[in-house]
Amino acid sequence: DGGITQSPKYLFRKEGQNVTLSCEQNLNHDAMYWYRQDPGQGLRLIYYSQIVNDFQKGDIAEGYSVSREKKESFPLTVTSAQKNPTAFYLCASSRYRSPNQPQHFGDGTRLSIL
Amino acid sequence: QKEVEQDPGPLSVPEGAIVSLNCTYSNSAFQYFMWYRQYSRKGPELLMYTYSSGNKEDGRFTAQVDKSSKYISLFIRDSQPSDSATYLCAIGSNYQLIWGAGTKLIIKP
Repeated sequence: DGGITQSPKYLFRKEGQNVTLSCEQNLNHDAMYWYRQDPGQGLRLIYYSQIVNDFQKGDIAEGYSVSREKKESFPLTVTSAQKNPTAFYLCASSRYRSPNQPQHFGDGTRLSIL
Repeated sequence: QKEVEQDPGPLSVPEGAIVSLNCTYSNSAFQYFMWYRQYSRKGPELLMYTYSSGNKEDGRFTAQVDKSSKYISLFIRDSQPSDSATYLCAIGSNYQLIWGAGTKLIIKP
């Protein structure tokens, strides 16, 4: 079955540490996204990528970095510069990069600080 | 004022009831309207997608859009305990997509 796989499901970060969240899709979608979900808030866009080797900052990119070396993969690194990283992180994809395209989501990674 | 407003709930109703979930928005340029369902510790899944005023029906679910009032609704008929989840609205234009914070729905057996 086609879908999006995020790993790990739970992740703990120590002070000063960078951590990387994995996102893989086998839907053959061009566009991929990373969102952050906090209680009581809507999904906030961190980064998005429309094509391999290209990505754009979303609304809250500070303290995060991404790469898109393969169509199927879009890993997110939470750097030590992100002072409040505790959140639920969601990866999504859509056939095309357009706000009007329905998005398919993975089951998320919950990141906490040790 | 937030661009998209959604009551966080929780909304608790008995099994079999008709459920009404709502979002309001402020930007009249928005023209695409989506409803997603999110179970606990899972990612959202698309339920309904509309781009015009009026109603769209899919099984027990009906999406309603009133552009003049900038108001969208999701109705669930014959609600089941398995419908207990958080429902997110997502509203967009050709340039941006804004998410509501979600309404938590609890269906009591």
